[in-house]
Amino acid sequence: DVVMTQSPLSLPVTLGQPASISCRSSQSLVHSNGKTYLNWFQQRPGQSPRRLIYELSNRESGVPDRFSGSGSGTDFTLKISRVEAEDVGVYYCMQSTHWPPYTFGQGTKLEIK
Amino acid sequence: EVQVVESGGGLVQPGGSLRLSCEVSGFTFRSYDMHWVRQAPGKGLVWVSRIDREGTGTTYADSVKGRFTVSRDNAKNTLYLQMNSLRAEDTAVYYCVGDRGSPGDYWGQGTLVTVSS
Repeated sequence: DVVMTQSPLSLPVTLGQPASISCRSSQSLVHSNGKTYLNWFQQRPGQSPRRLIYELSNRESGVPDRFSGSGSGTDFTLKISRVEAEDVGVYYCMQSTHWPPYTFGQGTKLEIK
Repeated sequence: EVQVVESGGGLVQPGGSLRLSCEVSGFTFRSYDMHWVRQAPGKGLVWVSRIDREGTGTTYADSVKGRFTVSRDNAKNTLYLQMNSLRAEDTAVYYCVGDRGSPGDYWGQGTLVTVSS
């Protein structure tokens, strides 16, 4: 199974400042078709998760452009250019290259300082 | 408007069974692979099961293999999860999730399953 490891697990950020979450996989997530199936999800308090980024760097419709996904191979990053109050929640990376099983990171809790 | 509505959760004793349902509208259900993902109280997300769009291919997490069965009725736009031999560690909110390339296109609000005596 592919193990997904996120850091940090807790991320206090000042409003308006940037934030960065790291996600590492135990093996390369490059599929034989050349795509990288790395997804990022946001779960706000009391809500269901929603996908922010799919296939490494593609932003979902309606997701603010302050969110961006990058990386390659086994190292990936979700960046928020300027944190807003509505960004509070838990962020998960998930790989869908090598399945089953699909595997999630442990989650990173973003809070406002 | 897309709607994904899970139901069927509740309190069940260890060893018991439950059948979860997920009714969708607002997107072409038969064009999507579907998943069940669960979240134990205060914990992270864990993938449980996948079924392909035709309903002919299914996969399971090792933790539920042999106990859970996923199925779908494309005529009714509904996904199911039959859960047998339930254990305390199956206690979680169960989410129904759409997949048209990668899991996560659509999520329901979840249904809580509590396994306790």
